[in-house]
Amino acid sequence: DGGITQSPKYLFRKEGQNVTLSCEQNLNHDAMYWYRQDPGQGLRLIYYSQIVNDFQKGDIAEGYSVSREKKESFPLTVTSAQKNPTAFYLCASTLGEITGELFFGEGSRLTVL
Amino acid sequence: GENVEQHPSTLSVQEGDSAVIKCTYSDSASNYFPWYKQELGKRPQLIIDIRSNVGEKKDQRIAVTLNKTAKHFSLHITETQPEDSAVYFCAASGAGGGNKLTFGTGTQLKVEL
Repeated sequence: DGGITQSPKYLFRKEGQNVTLSCEQNLNHDAMYWYRQDPGQGLRLIYYSQIVNDFQKGDIAEGYSVSREKKESFPLTVTSAQKNPTAFYLCASTLGEITGELFFGEGSRLTVL
Repeated sequence: GENVEQHPSTLSVQEGDSAVIKCTYSDSASNYFPWYKQELGKRPQLIIDIRSNVGEKKDQRIAVTLNKTAKHFSLHITETQPEDSAVYFCAASGAGGGNKLTFGTGTQLKVEL
């Protein structure tokens, strides 16, 4: 069953802690993306990667880091430098050019206590 | 970079009526305009898209129109049904903006019986 798997679905963190959200896809897609979703603000791009070992900052990259060591994996680390990390995080992928369907994972909800 | 504005933020219609959601974009080089639907608790899914060389596209009860001169595009849903209730996001991507989508802030559509 092909798709994008995000884990964990829910995550609680204390202030000052780094957390890593997992995103794995078996669609053989080249490009992968991380979006943050907040009420009333739509989907904002954090980071994206078009090929292995390469990634670019999106519109709100501060306080986040990513890696792309394997084609199928694009983990996102929310660092303690992110001032307002409580949000819903969505990972997505597309085959190549962005002018094709973006497939989303089911999301990870991060709550900072 | 690209900026996408979406209106209205909430829309309530009676079942069977039509619904229209409008978006404007800032980058005249943008050439791909998809619409995503996100049902409560689910991942966003592509429902229709349009490219800059086309002025209108239809798929059953949904249609999208594009006015490149004015830099705006709209989603039209006819004969609305309760299952159309969801959040709808417009997005834009252009050759000058890299392989990424910029999303609008979303429209909560409620179809009332």
